[in-house]
Amino acid sequence: KAGVTQTPRYLIKTRGQQVTLSCSPISGHRSVSWYQQTPGQGLQFLFEYFSETQRNKGNFPGRFSGRQFSNSRSEMNVSTLELGDSALYLCASSRTTGPYYEQYFGPGTRLTVT
Amino acid sequence: DAKTTQPNSMESNEEEPVHLPCNHSTISGTDYIHWYRQLPSQGPEYVIHGLTSNVNNRMASLAIAEDRKSSTLILHRATLRDAAVYYCILRDLRANNAGNMLTFGGGTRLMVKP
Repeated sequence: KAGVTQTPRYLIKTRGQQVTLSCSPISGHRSVSWYQQTPGQGLQFLFEYFSETQRNKGNFPGRFSGRQFSNSRSEMNVSTLELGDSALYLCASSRTTGPYYEQYFGPGTRLTVT
Repeated sequence: DAKTTQPNSMESNEEEPVHLPCNHSTISGTDYIHWYRQLPSQGPEYVIHGLTSNVNNRMASLAIAEDRKSSTLILHRATLRDAAVYYCILRDLRANNAGNMLTFGGGTRLMVKP
């Protein structure tokens, strides 16, 4: 079956702009989580959506937001970009929510803010 | 949340077994032990998980100490493709609010020599 897809794969934006990243989960998966990966902070949880509702949110400013559509596809948005937002943004999908279930990660979107 | 401790890096020879340790001395009775790995330039990949008993799958084996304060991920015959960062993560069955949030530490960078 097809894996998690993320678009775009690479993006260059300027400080102050906003950006929207997209994630298509594995067919049948209802949970989508987002992570930010930087060399300094490692992998950090942003938020999780399950059945179009945000289940949990990490410790990120309100400039980071997301949503999930009825087909489980998800988008995350970062407004007023800062240089420190340069990172690899990863999306993960899971059949449902809970500690028994594995998550499947996409290849990520590499965002560079100049 | 219970935390995990892993060595920063390990080295192995190709086609030899690899034992990747993880200490989790404050683990609770309801914490599942998950392992993920991240190959270069890819998103993390689920490897295996367990609660109390040792577990085997096509990728690896998970050996859990009797007191559950430590666990070991075993790759039976390392290949060059197994060179990755390996993350040991605890997920609490009781923490329904945590949903699918994964808390990544620094992981162990495994280098495989031909």
